[in-house]
Amino acid sequence: AQSVAQPEDQVNVAEGNPLTVKCTYSVSGNPYLFWYVQYPNRGLQFLLKYITGDNLVKGSYGFEAEFNKSQTSFHLKKPSALVSDSALYFCAHPRWDKIIFGKGTRLHILP
Amino acid sequence: GAVVSQHPSRVICKSGTSVKIECRSLDFQATTMFWYRQFPKKSLMLMATSNEGSKATYEQGVEKDKFLINHASLTLSTLTVTSAHPEDSSFYICSARARGGTTQYFGPGTRLLVL
Repeated sequence: AQSVAQPEDQVNVAEGNPLTVKCTYSVSGNPYLFWYVQYPNRGLQFLLKYITGDNLVKGSYGFEAEFNKSQTSFHLKKPSALVSDSALYFCAHPRWDKIIFGKGTRLHILP
Repeated sequence: GAVVSQHPSRVICKSGTSVKIECRSLDFQATTMFWYRQFPKKSLMLMATSNEGSKATYEQGVEKDKFLINHASLTLSTLTVTSAHPEDSSFYICSARARGGTTQYFGPGTRLLVL
């Protein structure tokens, strides 16, 4: 079955350090992949997407993600974490006209 | 950018009552709206897809008589939780997509607490 997986329930990073939130995919053909962020008690905000082209995708709030076909990964990264980046992050992929979300990774940025 | 609103943002109701949640696209016409449910510390689960003017398509395991969805106009979809019970307590999120578009724009969510 086509899916995305987020192996980490929670990631803790000190403020100012680089952060990585992991996502692996199992999608046939050319995968379309998304990252969304959910701040507490709020809906989802779109961060970035990979459709084709450059493997390094830049998105909102200084985030970027690297598409790695050999490792079937699409990890979300940021060079220097902010406390305000603390939130729930979802990797996702489209299936027909739906979006299928990973289970989410809670990111805690420690001051 | 496209804005989607939900009302109410938070609702508390007694067991056995029905609750209606509205989802509105504020600056675009949404031919398709989606309703998701999010359990604590869990991912979003798609409940149903509604197209304007037609019946909603429910995901497997979602009771259509329990969760009534109406998409009466191009800017409004409603989710009614009928005869709500405590296990229906959750965070409900809608999203909307314009005609011919591929991007879903998400609402801020509605937290339902059934006592």
